[in-house]
Amino acid sequence: NAGVTQTPKFQVLKTGQSMTLQCAQDMNHEYMSWYRQDPGMGLRLIHYSVGAGITDQGEVPNGYNVSRSTTEDFPLRLLSAAPSQTSVYFCASSAPGQGKRDGYTFGSGTRLTVV
Amino acid sequence: AQTVTQSQPEMSVQEAETVTLSCTYDTSENNYYLFWYKQPPSRQMILVIRQEAYKQQNATENRFSVNFQKAAKSFSLKISDSQLGDTAMYFCAWFSGGSNYKLTFGKGTLLTVNP
Repeated sequence: NAGVTQTPKFQVLKTGQSMTLQCAQDMNHEYMSWYRQDPGMGLRLIHYSVGAGITDQGEVPNGYNVSRSTTEDFPLRLLSAAPSQTSVYFCASSAPGQGKRDGYTFGSGTRLTVV
Repeated sequence: AQTVTQSQPEMSVQEAETVTLSCTYDTSENNYYLFWYKQPPSRQMILVIRQEAYKQQNATENRFSVNFQKAAKSFSLKISDSQLGDTAMYFCAWFSGGSNYKLTFGKGTLLTVNP
């Protein structure tokens, strides 16, 4: 099983560019989330989804868009990259009821640098 | 809003010794779950141990155990017989047992195990 797959693993962007971070899971998980990890800040929730067609904002949503057209995919879009978006991004998923048992299944992260 | 506080940004321990990482949290809910995640240099998020708030018995997983004090809202992680492979960032996380699907993380504690 692939679990949660994030692509790319590394990316360098110029200020103002846009890009999409991809996240796919093959476990038929309904719940998916995007977190960003910054030094000294832990992981902070950007956006999350409880099923196809349903998304909601987390703690730090500004500058990011998401959509959930399928159960498997949950892409994160940076509309106009800024240096403040330099971070490591994690995608995570879980099935209903699984989160409380096992926490979330995490991808391996994308390290994004905006110059 | 729920908050999770890890007051020790960095800790170090000698190999084979015992170390305790602290975590406190703030919530008005009665039904919730607590987790400790390990993040080694590979960046992968690994679930170490979980605790259900309604259980009084402290969770244990091999060399890892927790001291859960519900009234004090404290959830510390004890690592016994520390090994070099335990060197990692450790995150404490809170998860609601209700309709909230979001994991709330602390800022992390960087643990270094010295030979």
